Amino acid sequence: DAKTTQPPSMDCAEGRAANLPCNHSTISGNEYVYWYRQIHSQGPQYIIHGLKNNETNEMASLIITEDRKSSTLILPHATLRDTAVYYCIVGGKLIFGQGTELSVKP
Amino acid sequence: DAGVIQSPRHEVTEMGQEVTLRCKPISGHNSLFWYRQTMMRGLELLIYFNNNVPIDDSGMPEDRFSAKMPNASFSTLKIQPSEPRDSAVYFCASTVKGSGGRTGELFFGEGSRLTVL
Repeated sequence: DAKTTQPPSMDCAEGRAANLPCNHSTISGNEYVYWYRQIHSQGPQYIIHGLKNNETNEMASLIITEDRKSSTLILPHATLRDTAVYYCIVGGKLIFGQGTELSVKP
Repeated sequence: DAGVIQSPRHEVTEMGQEVTLRCKPISGHNSLFWYRQTMMRGLELLIYFNNNVPIDDSGMPEDRFSAKMPNASFSTLKIQPSEPRDSAVYFCASTVKGSGGRTGELFFGEGSRLTVL
């Protein structure tokens, strides 16, 4: 499974878009990109996944670059409840890295 | 839908004791994952099963750890003997793994918080 690199922490103002980047330069052609988040002391929660095309659901949008070496998770209107650790994962073994700790501030 | 059910939610035990953590996956799911989370090491994949068969146990720390899945609705993670460094939150997760190999959305349980004194 490909390794991912994410910034350790980010801040975002409430109501603004949160853009969380992820690098996965060693991704192979058939590996999906998954995003999960973990709110303090709870189990991780699935957000979205994609292969090549951009994806959108009720929680977020996922933008994958054309060469698939990086992606961005977008929370269009961040709320205080979006404060969590966000994990970008590549491949079927679903190995979690250190993630990005997102703090949404009023 | 009851979700993934783990028990116990909290366990405090003494070093050397046997610990058994239990997991009931979501009905119809054919893949089950065990993770361990600590502040120092983050969320680590210990082992995962497809159709009740262990596929990859390379994350299991040592022989003191063992996991079984006797049927599609039940899995156990056993630590014998337990040590203080095993203190962590242990998560179980389940999903449907398609015939093409793509892993679906993982549903996590609420975790079992283990403290070994």
